[in-house]
Amino acid sequence: AQSVSQHNHHVILSEAASLELGCNYSYGGTVNLFWYVQYPGQHLQLLLKYFSGDPLVKGIKGFEAEFIKSKFSFNLRKPSVQWSDTAEYFCAVRGSGGSYIPTFGRGTSLIVHP
Amino acid sequence: DAGVTQSPTHLIKTRGQQVTLRCSPKSGHDTVSWYQQALGQGPQFIFQYYEEEERQRGNFPDRFSGHQFPNYSSELNVNALLLGDSALYLCASSSTSGTGGQETQYFGPGTRLLVL
Repeated sequence: AQSVSQHNHHVILSEAASLELGCNYSYGGTVNLFWYVQYPGQHLQLLLKYFSGDPLVKGIKGFEAEFIKSKFSFNLRKPSVQWSDTAEYFCAVRGSGGSYIPTFGRGTSLIVHP
Repeated sequence: DAGVTQSPTHLIKTRGQQVTLRCSPKSGHDTVSWYQQALGQGPQFIFQYYEEEERQRGNFPDRFSGHQFPNYSSELNVNALLLGDSALYLCASSSTSGTGGQETQYFGPGTRLLVL
């Protein structure tokens, strides 16, 4: 069975600080990896995804994530956060191919102070 | 291009009642998945519908059932509601390729259910 661990449940930063949110997964095969964001009062939106190829993935709004297979990690990064990045961030993993369902982590709540 | 839509947005029920939630997928998508998101948790997979049949199911009791219509829209039904069923119910749509693989899921705004 696949599982996802997001170690940081709550993160508080000041504007312009750098961000790194941890995500580790457990799965025995090839994976697809996702980061979703949920802004206050809004629905889950896809930030970025990794299916194959370059392990450094660029997403929307200046976010990026790096897939490190040997560490089973897919950490989310942003060099300089803004107040508007305040949101809940979810990492998800699914087995690639077939009709596998993504498993979500419990999320990281990010608060950015202006 | 309309995204995934869900109705109603909010719902209040009492224990023992039954509820039906509705979802219309994003244009071009044929697969609908339902998730339950409890407060402070990530979404948990309930089941997935494709070609009007339940294709996969998560660890949820039989009180949770669903349906997919020929136009790909879907319903989630929950019988004999419990207090613990209070949550945000999310619908996600995707398209299934000819090999059975799926593209990325896109989520709707959710229906917030409160069971009293």
